[in-house]
Amino acid sequence: EIVLTQSPGTLSLSPGERATLSCRASQSFSSSSLGWYQQKPGQAPRLLIYGASSRATGIPDRFSGSGSGTDFTLTISRLEPEDFAVYYCQQYESSPWTFGQGTKVEI
Amino acid sequence: EVQLMESGGGLVQPGGSLRLSCTASGFTFGDYAMHWVRQAPGKGLEWVSGISWGSGDIIYADSVKGRFTISRDNAKNSLYLQMSSLRAEDTALYYCASRRGSGWPFDYWGQGTLVTVSS
Repeated sequence: EIVLTQSPGTLSLSPGERATLSCRASQSFSSSSLGWYQQKPGQAPRLLIYGASSRATGIPDRFSGSGSGTDFTLTISRLEPEDFAVYYCQQYESSPWTFGQGTKVEI
Repeated sequence: EVQLMESGGGLVQPGGSLRLSCTASGFTFGDYAMHWVRQAPGKGLEWVSGISWGSGDIIYADSVKGRFTISRDNAKNSLYLQMSSLRAEDTALYYCASRRGSGWPFDYWGQGTLVTVSS
């Protein structure tokens, strides 16, 4: 099983600032199988990034993803008020399809 | 517009059973693999089970293997999760999610249905 560890657990920032979220895997896998999801309180997760760096439909370009092997990053270039949420990384290369424990981006 | 709507959640005693449903619209359901993902209160996401478009490939998390059964009816655009021998640790919001196939992420999610296992 591929274990994903996200850091930090909580990121306290202000609107307009840059957010950098990390996702580290217990073993290397293809970057084409790494996704990022956003979850707001009381809502379902929403796909942001797939294939480590491709934005899903309708996702603004302030969201970007990068990385390979075991280290992946989600960057939000300038935080908007609606971006304050919990973010999860996921590997979908091999079952069980695992998620990181989440990073909360708070004001 | 893609929509996934779960139903069937509720309060059940330990050892009991429950059947969840997920009804899809806005896309060709039979072309997609489908999955169940759960989220315990205040916790993160845990993948539970997945089924291929034609039901030929079915897989479960170890935590539910032998207790849960996933199935689908493409004619009814519906996905199901039959849960038995329920435990307190199965208490969670259960989401259904679609996936185009191998190598694709979980692209659309429903709003979830809450399962509470308690005496």
